Amino acid sequence: DPKIIQKPKYLVAVTGSEKILICEQYLGHNAMYWYRQSAKKPLEFMFSYSYQKLMDNQTASSRFQPQSSKKNHLDLQITALKPDDSATYFCASSQQGARNERLFFGHGTKLSVL
Amino acid sequence: GEQVEQRPPHLSVREGDSAIIICTYTDSATAYFSWYKQEAGAGLQLLMSVLSNVDRKEEQGLTVLLNKKDKRLSLNLTAAHPGDSAVYFCAVRASSGSWQLIFGSGTQLTVMP
Repeated sequence: DPKIIQKPKYLVAVTGSEKILICEQYLGHNAMYWYRQSAKKPLEFMFSYSYQKLMDNQTASSRFQPQSSKKNHLDLQITALKPDDSATYFCASSQQGARNERLFFGHGTKLSVL
Repeated sequence: GEQVEQRPPHLSVREGDSAIIICTYTDSATAYFSWYKQEAGAGLQLLMSVLSNVDRKEEQGLTVLLNKKDKRLSLNLTAAHPGDSAVYFCAVRASSGSWQLIFGSGTQLTVMP
């Protein structure tokens, strides 16, 4: 029974379109994160949120916008999609956002941009 | 910024043998060290984590060693079994500055029966 739900599991999009990746966690955590895993690079940190506030943003492009409508939600909106955006996007959460906390990961959304 | 190198990229061992994966890092301020396992089509599962004041930690057939002088972190799977076949990642985080976990590039471990 997954406690971090990512939807959809697979997503195919055309270049130039916009998609939203959904993440909900039911662990009662206050911090949530997005990471990206592409074929050519190691797992890359994108964003961290704590109590629905942005803590850290390591994503250069403004095409990636996190959205937190509720404490246990952190969706990722991606606009003007490019083939290079093809990757598996992982959502994660932790208790408070402290540095030595364990991160729990979702199963990922695999995005393919044609 | 922090650079993490992980080796080997691929590792094949026979069932019952040990498997060792090594990561080196560059930032001496690194304070949190962890190992994750990723099975095919799944998310990452934390195996073990240590803080910088720990040199060695053992749990359930896994040993993590931290050598701060050489900035080297290792994961040793003793008596590996086929169920251990997966991709393993080290991940580290500094004690200040960015919150991000910096991941190694991963090691594909195959344990043959």
